[in-house]
Amino acid sequence: DSGVTQTPKHLITATGQRVTLRCSPRSGDLSVYWYQQSLDQGLQFLIHYYNGEERAKGNILERFSAQQFPDLHSELNLSSLELGDSALYFCASRKQGNTEAFFGQGTRLTVV
Amino acid sequence: DAKTTQPNSMESNEEEPVHLPCNHSTISGTDYIHWYRQLPSQGPEYVIHGLTSNVNNRMASLAIAEDRKSSTLILHRATLRDAAVYYCILPSGSARQLTFGSGTQLTVLP
Repeated sequence: DSGVTQTPKHLITATGQRVTLRCSPRSGDLSVYWYQQSLDQGLQFLIHYYNGEERAKGNILERFSAQQFPDLHSELNLSSLELGDSALYFCASRKQGNTEAFFGQGTRLTVV
Repeated sequence: DAKTTQPNSMESNEEEPVHLPCNHSTISGTDYIHWYRQLPSQGPEYVIHGLTSNVNNRMASLAIAEDRKSSTLILHRATLRDAAVYYCILPSGSARQLTFGSGTQLTVLP
């Protein structure tokens, strides 16, 4: 158990819909990272938050957004979903930049 | 950002040591070397990290070349549960994010 909790574990939704994925970081970790893993793309960095502030963006689509709340949990919002958004979405937390990162078990999103 | 190069796949026999190599010839003086692994259908798992000196923990050892242009992850006695994709990563960018390549698929033979 990494200490990072992601919910839900599985999500099936239709094209055009909007979903919210939730991540609770390890106790005391201020940094949260979101990653997408699809079969043909590998693990792709999406976005990073530190103590409530967005710090870096990776390959995140404009239809996707995220935020980190005062209690440090984070949410990834995916809208206008397309079939190609079907993937595993992972979040990771760490205390600071060069320390070890701990990943959740992911949310498997299936868009039908 | 410095890149890493790893073999696509490696095989090992159960209960034998495994040496997983990683080349990072463009590493800078402040780049840490991280290793993660991912078992099927699971999230990546932290294995070990270091800067200059060799590092040991309960999972593995990390041997870093003197010039830091390469490193080796050492699993002292491979088990079937060690079969996974192993990623060698140099955190980079303003967020020191982990950029995953294709890693090394380790197969452990019984």
